[in-house]
Amino acid sequence: DAGVIQSPRHEVTEMGQEVTLRCKPISGHDYLFWYRQTMMRGLELLIYFNNNVPIDDSGMPEDRFSAKMPNASFSTLKIQPSEPRDSAVYFCASKGGSAYNEQFFGPGTRLTVL
Amino acid sequence: DQQVKQNSPSLSVQEGRISILNCDYTNSMFDYFLWYKKYPAEGPTFLISISSIKDKNEDGRFTVFLNKSAKHLSLHIVPSQPGDSAVYFCAANSSSNTGKLIFGQGTTLQVKP
Repeated sequence: DAGVIQSPRHEVTEMGQEVTLRCKPISGHDYLFWYRQTMMRGLELLIYFNNNVPIDDSGMPEDRFSAKMPNASFSTLKIQPSEPRDSAVYFCASKGGSAYNEQFFGPGTRLTVL
Repeated sequence: DQQVKQNSPSLSVQEGRISILNCDYTNSMFDYFLWYKKYPAEGPTFLISISSIKDKNEDGRFTVFLNKSAKHLSLHIVPSQPGDSAVYFCAANSSSNTGKLIFGQGTTLQVKP
């Protein structure tokens, strides 16, 4: 299994630009999570989906952030417009089965907004 | 408000000695706890977990202890090896919210040869 795939691995953009991060979960997993890692706050859950339906988006910082999961094998996290404070590493994770199954993380996308 | 806290940002130990990483939580609804390990430029990987019905879980060199009354858990690594140098995240889950993990800020462990 290829694991969770994220693209791009690195993104450098200018303030005000739209940024789209992509994730392909592990086949068969029915949960998908988007996290943001910063030095100050560690790993923060932004949003998660179950069976392609958003369940909890309370971690999404503001309306500039949006996430979609059009099918079981693809999800996007979009930031529009981007700001320098959005600079962070964004991780996608997936899991299947019971509540206590472990989450499998992708390698992350390092976003830098200038 | 941080529901899961790792108050030590970093820890340095000598190879062969014990590493103890600590984690505190505030939400009494949490009933499952996990430790993840993260190397630079990689995503976190699952290390070990414990259910609230237990107070100890062991897997090779890694042992997690849970003290529910103190809302505290710890990860012991014995003996520590240089390859254990990484960031360790504590995470908590509640069966009432089946998908959601709450992570701490992480502790950077350095094991010196």
